[in-house]
Amino acid sequence: GAGVSQTPSNKVTEKGKYVELRCDPISGHTALYWYRQSLGQGPEFLIYFQGTGAADDSGLPNDRFFAVRPEGSVSTLKIQRTERGDSAVYLCASSPAGGYQETQYFGPGTRLLVL
Amino acid sequence: AQSVTQLGSHVSVSEGALVLLRCNYSSSVPPYLFWYVQYPNQGLQLLLKYTTGATLVKGINGFEAEFKKSETSFHLTKPSAHMSDAAEYFCAVSDRDTNAGKSTFGDGTTLTVKP
Repeated sequence: GAGVSQTPSNKVTEKGKYVELRCDPISGHTALYWYRQSLGQGPEFLIYFQGTGAADDSGLPNDRFFAVRPEGSVSTLKIQRTERGDSAVYLCASSPAGGYQETQYFGPGTRLLVL
Repeated sequence: AQSVTQLGSHVSVSEGALVLLRCNYSSSVPPYLFWYVQYPNQGLQLLLKYTTGATLVKGINGFEAEFKKSETSFHLTKPSAHMSDAAEYFCAVSDRDTNAGKSTFGDGTTLTVKP
């Protein structure tokens, strides 16, 4: 079956602009995660959805970052007033039910570059 | 708070040689442990995971890892390296004492395989 997909694959924007990054999880997966991977580092947790609700948003760095999952499937990560430090690869993952022992299936990521 | 340390950001081995990638973690409770592989321009793929039971875990592509609680380690090994093993490898922990599914990753180890 289809895996996790993310669009766009690359996004270049200017400092101060607004961007939206989209994630399509594996069909039927109720849990969805966003991570950010900066150059030379491992993925860093941002937010976790269980269904439509954000069960844990403790990783969002500040109030410029926001994510939604209105129908419990597709999720959008929104970044306002982008800064150069937001440049990174944004990864999305999904799992069947969200248990901490579950395998997370990752998408290929969106590479964001803020000029 | 959990943390993961991967000793050696770059490891180089000859084809056919033993692969050893090191991972140490800190966690207040026995965690769930994962190894992921990331090929260029691809998403993270699960190699293996430890949840409960046998401490020696076998994964895909001939890799295995052993959970050693006394050493807080989960090192990844493969008896004989293949050129196709060249990639970046990430160790991750998921703490059963915190919100479900939130994983903490190490900074990764880039494996180079020389012919």
